Amino acid sequence: EDQVTQSPEALRLQEGESSSLNCSYTVSGLRGLFWYRQDPGKGPEFLFTLYSAGEEKEKERLKATLTKKESFLHITAPKPEDSATYLCAVQAWGNTGNQFYFGTGTSLTVIP
Amino acid sequence: GAVVSQHPSRVICKSGTSVKIECRSLDFQATTMFWYRQFPKQSLMLMATSNEGSKATYEQGVEKDKFLINHASLTLSTLTVTSAHPEDSSFYICSARASGAYSYNEQFFGPGTRLTVL
Repeated sequence: EDQVTQSPEALRLQEGESSSLNCSYTVSGLRGLFWYRQDPGKGPEFLFTLYSAGEEKEKERLKATLTKKESFLHITAPKPEDSATYLCAVQAWGNTGNQFYFGTGTSLTVIP
Repeated sequence: GAVVSQHPSRVICKSGTSVKIECRSLDFQATTMFWYRQFPKQSLMLMATSNEGSKATYEQGVEKDKFLINHASLTLSTLTVTSAHPEDSSFYICSARASGAYSYNEQFFGPGTRLTVL
């Protein structure tokens, strides 16, 4: 069964304390892995798409990496404004190729 | 670019009434739009996939007659919750898959609609 698991469920960091969020997946044929940021009461905001193992993408303090079984979202020297829930989604080659499987997210709190 | 809007952002209705939620892609054409539901502290659950000009494809367990989806144009999809009940209260989010200048696979999400059924 296709599945996406994110860890940890919640993470509290001091401002400037770097860390990584994990997204592990088991899907039949990965089409793409997506990272989103979601603020309370708002829709997810697109961050990155990764398509193949070894691929890396960077944006400001965020860096996403992908292996055959998992993806990491590295946060370098986070700031309080980075506090949000980070969602990982995987698109698999299914019947339609459209299905996105979302993880339950990691709630990040960055303390000043 | 790649902006998706939803209207209304928040709606409160009485049990038994119907509620329509609009999802628009503002600066791109979206041949495919998706409707999700999100309960508090849970992830997004795909309800249905809608393609412009054709019937929506519903996920298992989602009632077609209760959640009516219309994808009338390349920039507009609507979700109508018919005869809403308190258990339908949730955060409904749409997304659109961009084509053309954007990656084929990426989905861009609307800001969501908070539905409360009294």
